[in-house]
Amino acid sequence: GAGVSQSPSNKVTEKGKDVELRCDPISGHTALYWYRQSLGQGLEFLIYFQGNSAPDKSGLPSDRFSAERTGGSVSTLTIQRTQQEDSAVYLCASSWAGNNQPQHFGDGTRLSIL
Amino acid sequence: GQNIDQPTEMTATEGAIVQINCTYQTSGFNGLFWYQQHAGEAPTFLSYNVLDGLEEKGRFSSFLSRSKGYSYLLLKELQMKDSASYLCAVRDKGGNTPLVFGKGTRLSVIA
Repeated sequence: GAGVSQSPSNKVTEKGKDVELRCDPISGHTALYWYRQSLGQGLEFLIYFQGNSAPDKSGLPSDRFSAERTGGSVSTLTIQRTQQEDSAVYLCASSWAGNNQPQHFGDGTRLSIL
Repeated sequence: GQNIDQPTEMTATEGAIVQINCTYQTSGFNGLFWYQQHAGEAPTFLSYNVLDGLEEKGRFSSFLSRSKGYSYLLLKELQMKDSASYLCAVRDKGGNTPLVFGKGTRLSVIA
């Protein structure tokens, strides 16, 4: 079956522009997570969704970051007025409900801000 | 705060056994996950431990001691394709809450 799909796979943009990253989770997975990974750093949690609600947005670094999920499926992460420090790989994951359920990751979007 | 520690890099020989350690201090504990991540690829799930003891899955085993805040991933009969980063992650809250990840251990398998 299809895994988690993210698009675009690579995005290069100029500082100050807005970007939108998309995540298509595994069909039926109720939980969806956004993380980012910078060189030499661990995965940093950004936000997660249970259905269409976001119980925890505590990882969003600033109010330039926002995310939504519609229909319990696709999610978009939007970064407004991008800064160079936003450059990273943005990873999306999804899972079934339950403590013991592993998160399944997409290949990520590599974002480079010039 | 939350803290998960793993060695940054390890090197091991093809055919050998390697143990990757992970220690954690988190506000709660609802399970520990190990992931493998090849360079430029998505992390893939390897193992899950929530009770003390050893879980074996083929060439890979994972151990947990909750009282010590300690886990290890054991890789046997190392192959060149095992060269990757290994990520230790803790679920500190219940349900489908996000994982807290360590920075990962980059393992190089040499001939």
